[in-house]
Amino acid sequence: GEDVEQSLFLSVREGDSSVINCTYTDSSSTYLYWYKQEPGAGLQLLTYIFSNMDMKQDQRLTVLLNKKDKHLSLRIADTQTGDSAIYFCAEGFPGNTPLVFGKGTRLSVIA
Amino acid sequence: DGGITQSPKYLFRKEGQNVTLSCEQNLNHDAMYWYRQDPGQGLRLIYYSQIVNDFQKGDIAEGYSVSREKKESFPLTVTSAQKNPTAFYLCASTQGLGGYTFGSGTRLTVV
Repeated sequence: GEDVEQSLFLSVREGDSSVINCTYTDSSSTYLYWYKQEPGAGLQLLTYIFSNMDMKQDQRLTVLLNKKDKHLSLRIADTQTGDSAIYFCAEGFPGNTPLVFGKGTRLSVIA
Repeated sequence: DGGITQSPKYLFRKEGQNVTLSCEQNLNHDAMYWYRQDPGQGLRLIYYSQIVNDFQKGDIAEGYSVSREKKESFPLTVTSAQKNPTAFYLCASTQGLGGYTFGSGTRLTVV
C-alpha cells in the first residue's frame, strides 16, 4: 500500500527557519497535506498542494514538492515557540480511499 | 460555527466494559473517519464511512464497532474485545479536496 515517511524529531532555535521533510510512494496524481497538532488537541490543517504544483507559499509557510523524488517539505520562516507541535504529512485523493498519514515530526523550538 | 464535536474529552473504562465515543459534525460532510493515536505511532485508521448506512474497516478495526445512521453522527464503540484500548481517539470528516477536519479528540484510559 501507499506509505508516507517523516523524521520523528526536529529542534530549532527561535527565529530560525524550520524545514520538515516527508516522502511518499503514491505514483498517481495526488494531494499532499500538512497538519499541525498541539498537545492534547486534534489536527489542524495548515496547507495543501496538488502534485502538479512545485511550490505553495502562505505567509510564513512554504511548501516545496519534488515530484521526481516524491519529496515534500514544509518550511516555517521565523520559527516561534508557538510553532512547537507535531507536524503530520498526509497524501491521498479525498473522496476515494482514506488519506495516508506519516507518523509525525515533533518540532521543538528553543528560546 | 461549523465543526466536529467529540465527546467526552476524557473517558475511563473498566476491564470488560464497552464504551462509546461520540462524534458529531455540522459541516454537511459525507465522509467520516475514526483514528487511534498512540505515542510514536502516528494515526492509525480504525473505521471510515463515505455515506450514510455504509462503513468500511480500516487498518485496526478489531475490537471496535461503528454505526452511521445519520449523516451528522459517527459513534465509535470500543468493545471488551479490544485488549489495549488506552489511546487518544480522533474523529475527522471531509467533503471534497480540502483535506480533513478533525475533532479535538477523546482520551480513553483503562482503569
